[in-house]
Amino acid sequence: GENVEQHPSTLSVQEGDSAVIKCTYSDSASNYFPWYKQELGKRPQLIIDIRSNVGEKKDQRIAVTLNKTAKHFSLHITETQPEDSAVYFCAATNQAGTALIFGKGTTLSVSS
Amino acid sequence: GAGVSQSPSNKVTEKGKDVELRCDPISGHTALYWYRQSLGQGLEFLIYFQGNSAPDKSGLPSDRFSAERTGGSVSTLTIQRTQQEDSAVYLCASSSSRGRSGELFFGEGSRLTVL
Repeated sequence: GENVEQHPSTLSVQEGDSAVIKCTYSDSASNYFPWYKQELGKRPQLIIDIRSNVGEKKDQRIAVTLNKTAKHFSLHITETQPEDSAVYFCAATNQAGTALIFGKGTTLSVSS
Repeated sequence: GAGVSQSPSNKVTEKGKDVELRCDPISGHTALYWYRQSLGQGLEFLIYFQGNSAPDKSGLPSDRFSAERTGGSVSTLTIQRTQQEDSAVYLCASSSSRGRSGELFFGEGSRLTVL
């Protein structure tokens, strides 16, 4: 089955800096890679996703890159703000309807 | 409903007792997941239901855990003979995907404490 590794487990940045979170996956058949954000005491929510037919996707200050050959994908947050502080989870699955498997999460702290 | 509903929101039980956690997904969503989140830990996959297909139970940690989904809607996660290590937040999520990837909508979770 799929295994997703996520690094780092914690990340502290100054407001305005960039933050990068990296994930690797094991199942070469995986072709859908979402990222979820979980603020303290709240439920996880989708912030961006990427499918295997593209290498990069951007949404304002957030971007995700995918390297299928190396089986890794990354989340990039630019111009970080205190409200970006949260736990971020990467995940992977394939379109055969198998389960969405999450990484262990990265706690991002943005200090002003 | 407006979102995924889970009950109870909090459950305190004694070691050895059985517990049932309920999830009411978004109407029309065919996919339903259960995840477990321990303090400071990630989202541990437990079980996945997709339409009328056989559920993917590969994440269940032991035979004390079971889940069912009746009528393709409400799901119940049952933990028998609870242990202290079962203490965690149990999250349910649903999706409208049919054999395709799609956004998961999570419930607020059921916090289980086993004394």
